[in-house]
Amino acid sequence: NAGVTQTPKFQVLKTGQSMTLQCAQDMNHEYMSWYRQDPGMGLRLIHYSVGAGITDQGEVPNGYNVSRSTTEDFPLRLLSAAPSQTSVYFCASSYSMVGETEAFFGQGTRLTVV
Amino acid sequence: RKEVEQDPGPFNVPEGATVAFNCTYSNSASQSFFWYRQDCRKEPKLLMSVYSSGNEDGRFTAQLNRASQYISLLIRDSKLSDSATYLCVVNMGSNYQLIWGAGTKLIIKP
Repeated sequence: NAGVTQTPKFQVLKTGQSMTLQCAQDMNHEYMSWYRQDPGMGLRLIHYSVGAGITDQGEVPNGYNVSRSTTEDFPLRLLSAAPSQTSVYFCASSYSMVGETEAFFGQGTRLTVV
Repeated sequence: RKEVEQDPGPFNVPEGATVAFNCTYSNSASQSFFWYRQDCRKEPKLLMSVYSSGNEDGRFTAQLNRASQYISLLIRDSKLSDSATYLCVVNMGSNYQLIWGAGTKLIIKP
């Protein structure tokens, strides 16, 4: 039972490089999201999707793109990496958008931009 | 003022003791509340939802005080394995915008 699979676990980028963080879930969840976690701060929502073909911006979307071509996959693209994007990134999925719905997380990607 | 605030700790607690920490939220329209647990360098995992009537799961008790806009987590008979960061999470409304606290770090000492 894989749950939410996120790759890579670690990545070092040079300023200006682009890359894609992969996220896949096998729970048939409609709702998926990307967060970043920085020291001393709560998780902040980057982008989210309520179903295949539908995405929307969260709290901190600048510098990131997402797409949702299938229910299972929700990749996050860094367009031109900046040191301010050094962070831990988590992908999450959940069955519903409302109520007491549990969010399931991937193992995280530790990204360093130099 | 942050939308969800937690004491960052760390709370250093001897094994077997009882520990409690609170989380305050600013939006009175908040609808759902949760405690997540995050181990060092791991992903967050749901510990428990917080219901209006309060709820208990083994050694863990969660309470909601809507009048004062805070939720609490009580851990009884603490174990070494309880050492983690506890994240308070608030669902602000129908669009499922979860607002996360920065977490309270708990260290249980033998």
